[in-house]
Amino acid sequence: DAKTTQPPSMDCAEGRAANLPCNHSTISGNEYVYWYRQIHSQGPQYIIHGLKNNETNEMASLIITEDRKSSTLILPHATLRDTAVYYCIVRASPTGANSKLTFGKGITLSVRP
Amino acid sequence: GAGVSQSPSNKVTEKGKDVELRCDPISGHTALYWYRQSLGQGLEFLIYFQGNSAPDKSGLPSDRFSAERTGGSVSTLTIQRTQQEDSAVYLCASTRDRVSYEQYFGPGTRLTVT
Repeated sequence: DAKTTQPPSMDCAEGRAANLPCNHSTISGNEYVYWYRQIHSQGPQYIIHGLKNNETNEMASLIITEDRKSSTLILPHATLRDTAVYYCIVRASPTGANSKLTFGKGITLSVRP
Repeated sequence: GAGVSQSPSNKVTEKGKDVELRCDPISGHTALYWYRQSLGQGLEFLIYFQGNSAPDKSGLPSDRFSAERTGGSVSTLTIQRTQQEDSAVYLCASTRDRVSYEQYFGPGTRLTVT
């Protein structure tokens, strides 16, 4: 699986958009970009995933560059409850073999009042 | 519906003792993963179960670690002769089937070996 690079931390004001960057310059054609987050003392939570098109769901938007070497997770209106560690993961689509997730250090997002 | 549950939520044990950690996946989910997370670290894959197939044990750090999944549902992770370096949060995740994109995680069991 391709490796990802994320800044260690960032903060944003409550109610503003949080834009979390991720670099994955060695991504291959069949690999998806996944985002999970982990709120303190909880298990990770799936947020969104995408291959090459931008994706949006009720939690967030995922913007993937045309060359697919980087992406940005956007939380449009951050709340205090969005304070968490956000993990960007690159992995091929599940095929039935072990589809384990490889988590790095992630980026710690702190939402301030 | 109910999510993935794990028990106990916290476990303190003495070095050298055996421990068992339990995971109840979401009903009907056929794939189950165990991970562990040491303090300040990312998640480390341990073992993967899919249906009736032989489990993928490639992430188990030593032969002191074993896991089973009975009846395709509940899973137990056993650590024998615990060591202090086994202290971590042990997380279980399940997926609906072997090609699902989303893994659902439980709250984890915090294991402390004294």
